[in-house]
Amino acid sequence: DAKTTQPPSMDCAEGRAANLPCNHSTISGNEYVYWYRQIHSQGPQYIIHGLKNNETNEMASLIITEDRKSSTLILPHATLRDTAVYYCIVSPYSSASKIIFGSGTRLSIRP
Amino acid sequence: DAMVIQNPRYQVTQFGKPVTLSCSQTLNHNVMYWYQQKSSQAPKLLFHYYDKDFNNEADTPDNFQSRRPNTSFCFLDIRSPGLGDAAMYLCATSRPGSSSTDTQYFGPGTRLTVL
Repeated sequence: DAKTTQPPSMDCAEGRAANLPCNHSTISGNEYVYWYRQIHSQGPQYIIHGLKNNETNEMASLIITEDRKSSTLILPHATLRDTAVYYCIVSPYSSASKIIFGSGTRLSIRP
Repeated sequence: DAMVIQNPRYQVTQFGKPVTLSCSQTLNHNVMYWYQQKSSQAPKLLFHYYDKDFNNEADTPDNFQSRRPNTSFCFLDIRSPGLGDAAMYLCATSRPGSSSTDTQYFGPGTRLTVL
């Protein structure tokens, strides 16, 4: 079973920040939080990951709470191309980590 | 560009007729995965190879087999496809312990139709 809980759907206006929440209350100390997204009819795409510090890259920012039981993926300026299903996953690092996909959040960006 | 390639993108087979899907990678990753994704569902891991070591998921049907003749290629064989095997099949690769991350890189998928 997936170890994360996400809202099934969200929408956001184009140009605004999209904030996608994820609960992972049973996360263990060696598990990272990964975010992937899947645009329609494409394979999933890695976005970002983190352990306990906030992370930022060219695609997004990841905010992890101090107790690590939840996180938020932030797309700072959403575009129509960001319409996708976003998956939050917890997985240990440095192993052939098995991704157990949950149901994800379907993000719709409205013009 | 280094990538994960899946051929064909669309495959049609008949009920019970064996079919093979292929995946190749230019990333030189030592782990290769196969996922099944049915319509409106999340991808589900079938099995993976860590180098030459095959790791099957407990609930993967015996009808699904895999071969990895070398680092670059991995095949998914469905011995007797049923209507319930119609799905998108995703190949992914990773390189655990690398300096970057243990992220998985996915191919575009092969959509299998069973008639």
